[in-house]
Amino acid sequence: AQSVSQHNHHVILSEAASLELGCNYSYGGTVNLFWYVQYPGQHLQLLLKYFSGDPLVKGIKGFEAEFIKSKFSFNLRKPSVQWSDTAEYFCAVSLYQGGKLIFGQGTELSVKP
Amino acid sequence: EAGVAQSPRYKIIEKRQSVAFWCNPISGHATLYWYQQILGQGPKLLIQFQNNGVVDDSQLPKDRFSAERLKGVDSTLKIQPAKLEDSAVYLCASIGGQGNTEAFFGQGTRLTVV
Repeated sequence: AQSVSQHNHHVILSEAASLELGCNYSYGGTVNLFWYVQYPGQHLQLLLKYFSGDPLVKGIKGFEAEFIKSKFSFNLRKPSVQWSDTAEYFCAVSLYQGGKLIFGQGTELSVKP
Repeated sequence: EAGVAQSPRYKIIEKRQSVAFWCNPISGHATLYWYQQILGQGPKLLIQFQNNGVVDDSQLPKDRFSAERLKGVDSTLKIQPAKLEDSAVYLCASIGGQGNTEAFFGQGTRLTVV
């Protein structure tokens, strides 16, 4: 069965630090990749997505992610985090557009001012 | 556009009782999902509808969970009888429109079974 693994359960950073959250998936075929964010008390929101083309995708709020097919990875990055980035981040995979999302277990990010 | 609406936001019930959740997806969205998110885990798909037909219910515990989307719009998810391990947030999401690839999520219903 397909699965998604996020490397870190909880990450604590100071403001202006750089962020990289790891995500690996297990599926040998073509996949669509997503990062979702859930701010405290709010619903899940899409940060960015990859379907095809340039493996470096840019999302909202300065986030980007790189798809490395050979490593089955889709890591999320941000050069300089802000206190407002404190949230839970979920990596997800779907096997086709509109297909069900298979989520990782999530990474809680705490940014200290 | 209006988002995905879910109600209630919170529900506390005793084990063996029944409970129902309601979801109103974004207007025109044909695909609707119910996910279960247990504390500390990522959301897990329970059921996927395309209009009023079921696409995937392979992970729905059918002995106690049921869901319907009779007119291809609103959907309800029911649990009867509830168990302690059903305590979770139940999320509804929808996708629709030409070339639309983003799933929009509601705020969820937090269920506590005591």
